[in-house]
Formats: sequence, structure tokens, C-alpha cells
Amino acid sequence: RKEVEQDPGPFNVPEGATVAFNCTYSNSASQSFFWYRQDCRKEPKLLMSVYSSGNEDGRFTAQLNRASQYISLLIRDSKLSDSATYLCVVPPGNNRKLIWGLGTSLAVNP
Amino acid sequence: EPEVTQTPSHQVTQMGQEVILRCVPISNHLYFYWYRQILGQKVEFLVSFYNNEISEKSEIFDDQFSVERPDGSNFTLKIRSTKLEDSAMYFCASTGDGSAYEQYFGPGTRLTVT
Repeated sequence: RKEVEQDPGPFNVPEGATVAFNCTYSNSASQSFFWYRQDCRKEPKLLMSVYSSGNEDGRFTAQLNRASQYISLLIRDSKLSDSATYLCVVPPGNNRKLIWGLGTSLAVNP
Repeated sequence: EPEVTQTPSHQVTQMGQEVILRCVPISNHLYFYWYRQILGQKVEFLVSFYNNEISEKSEIFDDQFSVERPDGSNFTLKIRSTKLEDSAMYFCASTGDGSAYEQYFGPGTRLTVT
């Protein structure tokens, strides 16, 4: 299994749709997980942190399944401005290095 | 809101030349990082820096690369003899003493090696 693996997509959804992305990770010692958002040719920006079973912030919900070693990101009521690449990021253990997935591309269409 | 800044935004250089990429991390942050992203590929960790020394580096960060914090604000990445495959976006990031992992990224420097 790759260190961090994501379905690259693209996901094309209409405005208002609910969309979910999954990410699997290989290091069972990882304790915290992150979703970053990256717009085309821009820097990654932290979207959500997941330290326990899950986290919710408005339309965004992240869930963690340690037994199966995957994290999911759910976006409800998609907006045009949600169009971006969503990156799953996993620190492998006690160090500060971040391991990045390739990202899942989302296009929200009017 | 404080932010990480990077200069230049775009650097074009010839193969074999030295380049220095500059970053100004958020002022009260203590941990600094360099990442690179080749077009269409994933973000890759290069190096982390704390207390004026490298704390971790990846296999990519070979002898051609070096980092420095020459004063209290700047954090630089030097590539001694650039290769075509060094063409990428280079991102600097920093974190405070709190969460080790909530890293704030600069806008990046696009390096093109010809």
C-alpha cells in the first residue's frame, strides 16, 4: 500500500451536490490527519485537522477510520468556489514531516 | 493575518547555475520547511529546520541542496548546480510551537531550469 493514496478524480458535480473523497494511509502509527485544499498553481491551504474520530466545520466533515486506515472528507451543498484539488496529508509518526497524497480534483459545475 | 512570503515568484535559470529561494516565515513560528511540487505531481517534503539546524530531510535533499536562516526573519533554500529535473514549484512553510502539523504555506517560487 502506498503511504498516502487518493482517488485522483476528477469529480464533476453540480452545485448543491454532496461529494465524498477517501484517502488511505499505510502507517498505522500516524495519529493525526489533515485535509488541505490547493487551487491551481497556488499553495496548499489547511482545510481541516482530524485528531480523533472526526471533525466537522460547516459544510465540511472529515471522518477517520483507524481500523481500516482511511480518512474521508464530505462536502455538503457544494459551491462553485469549492472547485479545487483536495490533498490528504498524514504525518508518519512523531516527526513533523508531512506525507502528501496526490490529491483529488473536484469541479463544481453551475 | 500573518502570512508566509516567498521571493521571487518565478525564477528562470540555466542548468548548472546556483539559485537561492527566499522565504520569510510567520514571525513567531519556530519550525520551517521546504517542499517541492513538480507540475502535476504530489507535494514532496524536502527538509525541516528548527533551532538553527536541519531536523529532518528527505532523499531528495542531497548535497546539492542547503538551507540557511541567515538572520531572524529569512529562511533560504540554495540549489548549488541546478538540473532540469529541479524545475518545480518550491513552497516554504512554517509552524508555531503548538501543532506540529498545521503548516502555513507561502505562495511558492516557480523554478524553471533550462
